[in-house]
Amino acid sequence: AQSVTQPDIHITVSEGASLELRCNYSYGATPYLFWYVQSPGQGLQLLLKYFSGDTLVQGIKGFEAEFKRSQSSFNLRKPSVHWSDAAEYFCAVVVITGGGNKLTFGTGTQLKVEL
Amino acid sequence: GAVVSQHPSWVICKSGTSVKIECRSLDFQATTMFWYRQFPKQSLMLMATSNEGSKATYEQGVEKDKFLINHASLTLSTLTVTSAHPEDSSFYICSARKTYEQYFGPGTRLTVT
Repeated sequence: AQSVTQPDIHITVSEGASLELRCNYSYGATPYLFWYVQSPGQGLQLLLKYFSGDTLVQGIKGFEAEFKRSQSSFNLRKPSVHWSDAAEYFCAVVVITGGGNKLTFGTGTQLKVEL
Repeated sequence: GAVVSQHPSWVICKSGTSVKIECRSLDFQATTMFWYRQFPKQSLMLMATSNEGSKATYEQGVEKDKFLINHASLTLSTLTVTSAHPEDSSFYICSARKTYEQYFGPGTRLTVT
């Protein structure tokens, strides 16, 4: 079965510093990959997605992610973090099957931004 | 855009009563909607997949008689927590699928006293 691993439960960075959140997936074929952000007490907002094509995808709020098939990774990056980026970040994968498709989430990474 | 709303955003109820949560896709039609449950500082757990006009598909371990799901139209799915107990207190989030993407509602905080 497919799975998504986010190795870092918590990450703290200083405002203005660069950020990389790690995500690894386990699936035989190329999955559809997503990054979502969740602010406290809120639903999830889609940051970016990868379906096919260019392996470097740009998202909203200055985020980007790179799909690396050889490493089964889809890490999220931002060159300069803003205090408002503090939130929970979820990596997710959709696997297309004959019975439909489901979104499988990683356990999330809590980002704290120090001023 | 693709906007999903939930109502109510928070609800407090007494143990033994039932609570209904609505999930609406505001600017698109959604054949499939999903209901998730999220415990504090944890990831989202899929409870069930709701397909318009048919019975919902529940994940293993989810009580279908306790969590009643109805998807009567292409823009509305409802989750009813029946005979709620304090352990049902949680954050419930719905999402609606549009092609291969899912758009999430803002969530409903349920507290059972």
